[in-house]
Amino acid sequence: ETGVTQSPTHLIKTRGQQVTLRCSSQSGHNTVSWYQQALGQGPQFIFQYYREEENGRGNFPPRFSGLQFPNYSSELNVNALELDDSALYLCASSFPTSGGADTQYFGPGTRLTVL
Amino acid sequence: QKEVEQDPGPLSVPEGAIVSLNCTYSNSAFQYFMWYRQYSRKGPELLMYTYSSGNKEDGRFTAQVDKSSKYISLFIRDSQPSDSATYLCAMSTNNAGNMLTFGGGTRLMVKP
Repeated sequence: ETGVTQSPTHLIKTRGQQVTLRCSSQSGHNTVSWYQQALGQGPQFIFQYYREEENGRGNFPPRFSGLQFPNYSSELNVNALELDDSALYLCASSFPTSGGADTQYFGPGTRLTVL
Repeated sequence: QKEVEQDPGPLSVPEGAIVSLNCTYSNSAFQYFMWYRQYSRKGPELLMYTYSSGNKEDGRFTAQVDKSSKYISLFIRDSQPSDSATYLCAMSTNNAGNMLTFGGGTRLMVKP
C-alpha cells in the first residue's frame, strides 16, 4: 500500500449534478496530482497542486476544479457532470526533489458512474 | 494520433516466459520514462523509472529507452502468474512527478 487514500471508493451520480472526490496524500508529500482513467484506457492528467497552488493542468474544462489544503490533502470537484465523466479518478502524491525525479504514489481511485 | 501508443493486448504467455512490452511516442521532449503496473481495481504502482536513453535492470525487470527511435520497452524474465496485470508506460517532459502522459496500457496474462 502507498499510504495515499481516496474517498469514496465509488459513487453514482446523474448527469448535471456536482461531485467532490477526496484524497489524503502520503505523509510528507506536498504535491498532489489528479488523473482520470476511462475504462480500458490509460490515466489522463487533470491537474497538479503544489503547496495549495495549481501548478499544472491538462486538457480538461474549467468545470474540473481542485483544492489542496494546508495538510496537503486534496479535493477534486466536477460540476455539471456528463456521461463521459464516468471513470476511475486517481490521486497521486509526490515530494519534489531537486535535480531528480519525483516518484508518484497512486491511491486506489474513486470509481464515478454518471447516469 | 495519441502522444503515447501502446498495444492494448491482451498478451497471454505461459509461466516462465520472457515478456516484452513496448510503447512508442511522438513527443521528442519526453525525458523521463516510467512503467507502472496496475492490478484490477487498484491504482498504478511504479515498477521502473529511466531518465533519457539507456537500460535499467531491477530483479526480473529490465527497462530500455531508445530516444532516437522514440521507443521504450519493458522486459519481464521468468514471468509469474502474479505478474498478470495491466502495464502502463508513462512519460514526462521535465520531471518524473510532473504531468505524466500515459499509454493506454497492455493487459498481460501469465498462465500457470
